[in-house]
Amino acid sequence: DIQMTQSPSSVSASVGDRVTITCRASQDIANWLAWYQQKPGQAPTLLIYAASSLHSGAPSRFSGSGSGTDFTLTIGSLQPEDFATYYCQQGHSFPRTFGGGTKVEIK
Amino acid sequence: EVQLVESGGGLVQPGGSLRLSCAASGFTFSNFNMNWVRQAPGKGLEWISYITRSNTIYYADSVKGRFTVSRDNAKNSLYLQMNSLRAEDTAVYYCARDPSGRRFDPWGQGTLVTVSS
Repeated sequence: DIQMTQSPSSVSASVGDRVTITCRASQDIANWLAWYQQKPGQAPTLLIYAASSLHSGAPSRFSGSGSGTDFTLTIGSLQPEDFATYYCQQGHSFPRTFGGGTKVEIK
Repeated sequence: EVQLVESGGGLVQPGGSLRLSCAASGFTFSNFNMNWVRQAPGKGLEWISYITRSNTIYYADSVKGRFTVSRDNAKNSLYLQMNSLRAEDTAVYYCARDPSGRRFDPWGQGTLVTVSS
């Protein structure tokens, strides 16, 4: 199975800050990487797919990069509605696997 | 509007069974592969099953042999039959569409399954 390792597990930031979350795959997954946002009590929503493609409706302050084993999700300027938990997910092979999540908290 | 609505969750004793349903609307259900993903209380996301348009199926090892996924394209519905339930199966269960590209979008609102005596 492909292991997905996210870091950090939590980050405290202020509105307007630039936030970067990393995700590392245990083997090459090309660009089969997606990022999701989950707010408390809600289902996850897709932000980024194919490592760097912005999902329709996701704000442009979200961006993704990387290929192979190392990936990054960047929030360009943190907004109040961005405080949530973020997950990466590999779509290279079965079983599909998620990173452990990164909780973005208010500083 | 594309929508997925899960139902069928509840409290069940260890060793018991439950059948979850996911009703799809707003898109041609038969054209899409579908997934089940779960989330234990306070924990991360765990993919558990995938079914293609042509009924090719994959399971996570944690549920293989106990859970069965199926679909009824005429009813625009996805199902998850869960047998031999364990305490560690306690979670919110989500269905999620795969819009090609091996990702999950959208997700349903989830249904809570609690396995406890």
